[in-house]
Amino acid sequence: QKEVEQNSGPLSVPEGAIASLNCTYSDRGSQSFFWYRQYSGKSPELIMSIYSNGDKEDGRFTAQLNKASQYVSLLIRDSQPSDSATYLCAVNGGYQKVTFGTGTKLQVIP
Amino acid sequence: SAVISQKPSRDICQRGTSLTIQCQVDSQVTMMFWYRQQPGQSLTLIATANQGSEATYESGFVIDKFPISRPNLTFSTLTVSNMSPEDSSIYLCSVGGQGGNEQFFGPGTRLTVL
Repeated sequence: QKEVEQNSGPLSVPEGAIASLNCTYSDRGSQSFFWYRQYSGKSPELIMSIYSNGDKEDGRFTAQLNKASQYVSLLIRDSQPSDSATYLCAVNGGYQKVTFGTGTKLQVIP
Repeated sequence: SAVISQKPSRDICQRGTSLTIQCQVDSQVTMMFWYRQQPGQSLTLIATANQGSEATYESGFVIDKFPISRPNLTFSTLTVSNMSPEDSSIYLCSVGGQGGNEQFFGPGTRLTVL
């Protein structure tokens, strides 16, 4: 069974710090990797996609992918209280079938 | 990304009844997906709905319990049948992006079964 694993947290970081969120996946054939942000009571919102090894930066967010280690991470620089949410790692193994992790709850402390 | 709406946004239902959830997209899409998110849990795919064919259900989900319609390329419904309190959950529809790999979600339907 294809699995995506995340630490459930909560991960608490002070405002202005870097938040580091990690994810591992079991399907070595996976090709597409995503990070979603989900505020309490809201639906998931796509914030980053990454398809090849290395780093991808978008504003304060950096996604990192290491296919050899089956590892995906999300860095949030200059964390803000508005970043407090649950972050879901998702992996697409093909045929648009996306498997989601259980999510890491991030708390940014003012 | 597509704009997705769902109706109802929330409902409280009695055990044994059924609820039909509607999902409307502002553009034509080939595949639509229905997910369930139980309290404190991640998203679980219920089924994939293609226009003009039967929905494809994931392990643990059956058509009798979760019948799905897909009458055209912009609309789908999911019915939760013969509900029990264990069906209390958020139900989300999603569509694929232009890249074909990512998915975008509707606002969800929060269902409580008493």
